[in-house]
Amino acid sequence: KAGVTQTPRYLIKTRGQQVTLSCSPISGHRSVSWYQQTPGQGLQFLFEYFSETQRNKGNFPGRFSGRQFSNSRSEMNVSTLELGDSALYLCASSRNRDLIANTGELFFGEGSRLTVL
Amino acid sequence: DAKTTQPPSMDCAEGRAANLPCNHSTISGNEYVYWYRQIHSQGPQYIIHGLKNNETNEMASLIITEDRKSSTLILPHATLRDTAVYYCIPTLISNAGGTSYGKLTFGQGTILTVHP
Repeated sequence: KAGVTQTPRYLIKTRGQQVTLSCSPISGHRSVSWYQQTPGQGLQFLFEYFSETQRNKGNFPGRFSGRQFSNSRSEMNVSTLELGDSALYLCASSRNRDLIANTGELFFGEGSRLTVL
Repeated sequence: DAKTTQPPSMDCAEGRAANLPCNHSTISGNEYVYWYRQIHSQGPQYIIHGLKNNETNEMASLIITEDRKSSTLILPHATLRDTAVYYCIPTLISNAGGTSYGKLTFGQGTILTVHP
């Protein structure tokens, strides 16, 4: 079956602009999480969505937001881009929120690489 | 979240077993030990997880000490394609409070390089 699909794979923006990244989870998966990966900070959790509601949030400023649609697809938005927002943004999906029943495995996409100039 | 300590890098010869250690001395009773890896330019990939018993799947084996303060991931016959960053991640698996699902706290991991 198809994996987690993220678009676009690469993009370049300038400071002050905003960006929207898209994530299509594996078919049947209802939970979507977002992560930021930078050389300095490593992989950091941004937020998690389930049933169109944000269930968990990491320690990022309000410029980072997201949403989930009824078909479980998710988007994240970063407004007023800063140079430090340059990163690989990763999306992960899983069938539901019950780790015990779900083996706890998150399936990651290949990411969207954002460069802010 | 429990803190983890992993060696920054390790080397392994192709065909030999790779043993990757992880110290998680502050792990709580309801935290499982998860292992993920990230091959260059790809998203992280789940390998295995366990609570207190040793676990084995088609990819690897996980040995957890009796006191649960440390664990070792074993790749029995490493190949060049196993070259990656390996992350040991204690994760609250209980859904009580729903605070951890979807949230993995990645550390710096171990860069494993498999040599021909």
